[in-house]
Amino acid sequence: NAGVMQNPRHLVRRRGQEARLRCSPMKGHSHVYWYRQLPEEGLKFMVYLQKENIIDESGMPKERFSAEFPKEGPSILRIQQVVRGDSAAYFCASSPTTGDQYFGPGTRLTVL
Amino acid sequence: AQKVTQAQTEISVVEKEDVTLDCVYETRDTTYYLFWYKQPPSGELVFLIRRNSFDEQNEISGRYSWNFQKSTSSFNFTITASQVVDSAVYFCALLNTNAGKSTFGDGTTLTVKP
Repeated sequence: NAGVMQNPRHLVRRRGQEARLRCSPMKGHSHVYWYRQLPEEGLKFMVYLQKENIIDESGMPKERFSAEFPKEGPSILRIQQVVRGDSAAYFCASSPTTGDQYFGPGTRLTVL
Repeated sequence: AQKVTQAQTEISVVEKEDVTLDCVYETRDTTYYLFWYKQPPSGELVFLIRRNSFDEQNEISGRYSWNFQKSTSSFNFTITASQVVDSAVYFCALLNTNAGKSTFGDGTTLTVKP
């Protein structure tokens, strides 16, 4: 059973471009969570999704950020018009229910 | 609101010393999980332990041990006979089982010198 997969592992974007981060949950997991880790900081919750539903987006910036978890395919975290402050590691976690979380390896976004 | 505090920002020890990493948490929930993760320089999160709020038994796994004290809302982590490979950032986290999201501490950077 493969773990949580994230791609790309490293992503470089110029200011103003769009960044798309993908997360494939573990098989059988229908809950996905996104976290952001700014340099020298801990992980901060962004959004919690189930298939086709956003359950909790209290940690998402109000502008430029969006997330989806379609019926088929991976969960996508989308950042429009990236700025230097978006440079961070973005971690995805999945769970079969709300009792546990399994983390992916993370995507390191660098904005030039 | 939930909060996890890791008061020690950085700890430096010499190899073979024992070291304890502190974690204090705040929550209004009666049911929750506590975790410790290791983040080596490569950046991934390595799961170390999960503790259910109803289980206050201490746990030992090799050189690692954990002390969960619900009365003081603490979940401390001890590494015995530390090794250079233990050098990493260690995170304590609290999972709200109803809401689904985890709250992380800011991490403790452990440096083990040879």
